[in-house]
Amino acid sequence: KAGVTQTPRYLIKTRGQQVTLSCSPISGHRSVSWYQQTPGQGLQFLFEYFSETQRNKGNFPGRFSGRQFSNSRSEMNVSTLELGDSALYLCASSLDGGMSTGELFFGEGSRLTVL
Amino acid sequence: QQQVKQSPQSLIVQKGGISIINCAYENTAFDYFPWYQQFPGKGPALLIAIRPDVSEKKEGRFTISFNKSAKQFSLHIMDSQPGDSATYFCAAAKTGANNLFFGTGTRLTVIP
Repeated sequence: KAGVTQTPRYLIKTRGQQVTLSCSPISGHRSVSWYQQTPGQGLQFLFEYFSETQRNKGNFPGRFSGRQFSNSRSEMNVSTLELGDSALYLCASSLDGGMSTGELFFGEGSRLTVL
Repeated sequence: QQQVKQSPQSLIVQKGGISIINCAYENTAFDYFPWYQQFPGKGPALLIAIRPDVSEKKEGRFTISFNKSAKQFSLHIMDSQPGDSATYFCAAAKTGANNLFFGTGTRLTVIP
């Protein structure tokens, strides 16, 4: 079955702009999580959505937001972009998000460059 | 504050050798410890995972060793192959939670 699909794969923005990233989870998966990956900080949890509700949020400023649609597809938005927002943004899906089921399936990521 | 500490940052191993990556955690509430493998241009993929009710788990050439009292766990890759060259991340989570705390990663290079 199809994996996690993230779009766009690459994008370049300038400081102050905003960006929206999209994630389509594996069919049947209801939980979508977002992670930011940078060389300096590694993989850091942004937030997790389940059945259109944000269940958990990492330690990121309010400029980072997300939502989930009824078909489980998710979007994340970053407003007022800063140079430090340059990163690989990874989406992961799972059946229910809780670690009782264990596995997160990651997409290939959206690489954002802020100039 | 890094909840999971991982070492070494990079590792070079000869083909056929053993690769060992170590991780340590502080939060005793963590009870799920996965390892992810990431190739360039790809997202991380689950390699193997362990829960603290066992001290070791083996899947093929990959073994997790877990020391609950020391709050440490490690990944051993036996008979390392050039195709194992990737970045490896340890992680930790609480059952029922929905976020993983990742280590900073280890870039493994296996020399033919």
